[in-house]
Amino acid sequence: AQSVAQPEDQVNVAEGNPLTVKCTYSVSGNPYLFWYVQYPNRGLQFLLKYITGDNLVKGSYGFEAEFNKSQTSFHLKKPSALVSDSALYFCAVRDESNTGKLIFGQGTTLQVKP
Amino acid sequence: ETGVTQTPRHLVMGMTNKKSLKCEQHLGHNAMYWYKQSAKKPLELMFVYNFKEQTENNSVPSRFSPECPNSSHLFLHLHTLQPEDSALYLCASSQDGGGREQFFGPGTRLTVL
Repeated sequence: AQSVAQPEDQVNVAEGNPLTVKCTYSVSGNPYLFWYVQYPNRGLQFLLKYITGDNLVKGSYGFEAEFNKSQTSFHLKKPSALVSDSALYFCAVRDESNTGKLIFGQGTTLQVKP
Repeated sequence: ETGVTQTPRHLVMGMTNKKSLKCEQHLGHNAMYWYKQSAKKPLELMFVYNFKEQTENNSVPSRFSPECPNSSHLFLHLHTLQPEDSALYLCASSQDGGGREQFFGPGTRLTVL
């Protein structure tokens, strides 16, 4: 069965430092992978996706993610964190039934301190 | 925010009430989704509609009744809810059901007393 894991409930970084939010997945075929961000009392906002091609995917707000097939990972990264990046981040993988369903991880809270 | 609107943003209802949540997307998409987001739990997919047809019902109790009159509108009719149904209900849309990115509305914060 397909699954997504975000091993960290919370990540703390200092402003200006690089950040990484981890995600690993399990699918039997080729994965379609997504990252979303959720600010308090808001819906989820799409950040970036990987379907095929270059393993380094660039997205919104300076975020990027690296697809690693051998490690079945899709970690979200940013070279220099901002306080305004503090939010809840979700990794997701497309369900293999191809109904459009996404399977979400449990979410990681990113806290960026000034 | 992203072309997907939801009303109301907040709703408080008693267990015997009947209410409806509304979602509208202005993106020309053909697939729409309802999710439930509870505290400390991952997002739970409830229903999927593709071209107005329901293609997924994720074992949702019958006290939640979706309706999709056209590709732009999605409703969630609520009746005889339980306090544990209190959550943030999120609507999303995508261009089709083939795994493209989904765009989310701001959600309806539901409290069942």
